[in-house]
Amino acid sequence: QKEVEQNSGPLSVPEGAIASLNCTYSDRGSQSFFWYRQYSGKSPELIMSIYSNGDKEDGRFTAQLNKASQYVSLLIRDSQPSDSATYLCVVGEAGNMLTFGGGTRLMVKP
Amino acid sequence: DAGVIQSPRHEVTEMGQEVTLRCKPISGHNSLFWYRQTMMRGLELLIYFNNNVPIDDSGMPEDRFSAKMPNASFSTLKIQPSEPRDSAVYFCASHDKGYSNQPQHFGDGTRLSIL
Repeated sequence: QKEVEQNSGPLSVPEGAIASLNCTYSDRGSQSFFWYRQYSGKSPELIMSIYSNGDKEDGRFTAQLNKASQYVSLLIRDSQPSDSATYLCVVGEAGNMLTFGGGTRLMVKP
Repeated sequence: DAGVIQSPRHEVTEMGQEVTLRCKPISGHNSLFWYRQTMMRGLELLIYFNNNVPIDDSGMPEDRFSAKMPNASFSTLKIQPSEPRDSAVYFCASHDKGYSNQPQHFGDGTRLSIL
C-alpha cells in the first residue's frame, strides 16, 4: 500500500512569516510530486510540481524534494491570510495515478 | 479553455434513491478519474478510465456504485440505492495520458447529501 504522510495541522503562522509544510512518501520509485491547494468547499488546484532532487521556486512558493529521504516540502514565503487552506502533498504513480496525502491545514493569522 | 465540468453541483436526496453524477473532461484528455472526499477519509480514488476503458475500479466501495464512460467527453458515476454514508463530495479529474508526470485537473465537485 503506497502511502503519503502529512501532519494534519492546523499549522498556524503569522502574516508575513514563512510557512513550512512537510510530507513523506513510502514508494521509493516515485518520480513525480505535486502540491495541491484546496480552499474549504472548493476543488484541489495544482500550485507546484517537482520531479528532481533540490529546490524549485515559483513566486512565493518553493518546493523541495529529497528522494533519498523520501521527503517533500513546500515553503510559502511572506504568508498571507489568503494562503489559509489545506495543502495536499501528492505523489504520482505509474499509470497516471496519484496518491494523496491527508493534507495539512494552514492558517495564516493577520 | 473549459475545465472539467461536473453536474450537479449539489444533490440532496433520500436514502434508497438512485443518484447519477456527471462529468465532462477537458477536451483532448484521455484519462478520467472519479474521487470521493470526506472529512474522515480524505480524497479516495474510486475508479479511473483510460481511453474510455475502466482500468482500476478497486476503489469503488461496493456494488451499489457503478461508473461508465460511453465516449471521450462524458462519464457518469451512479449510486443505486443510495445510503446516508455515501454523503461526500465527489470529484472528477482528467489528465492527458500522453504527457506523463503532468497533473490531473479537477472539476468543482458534486456535494452529495443522502438523508
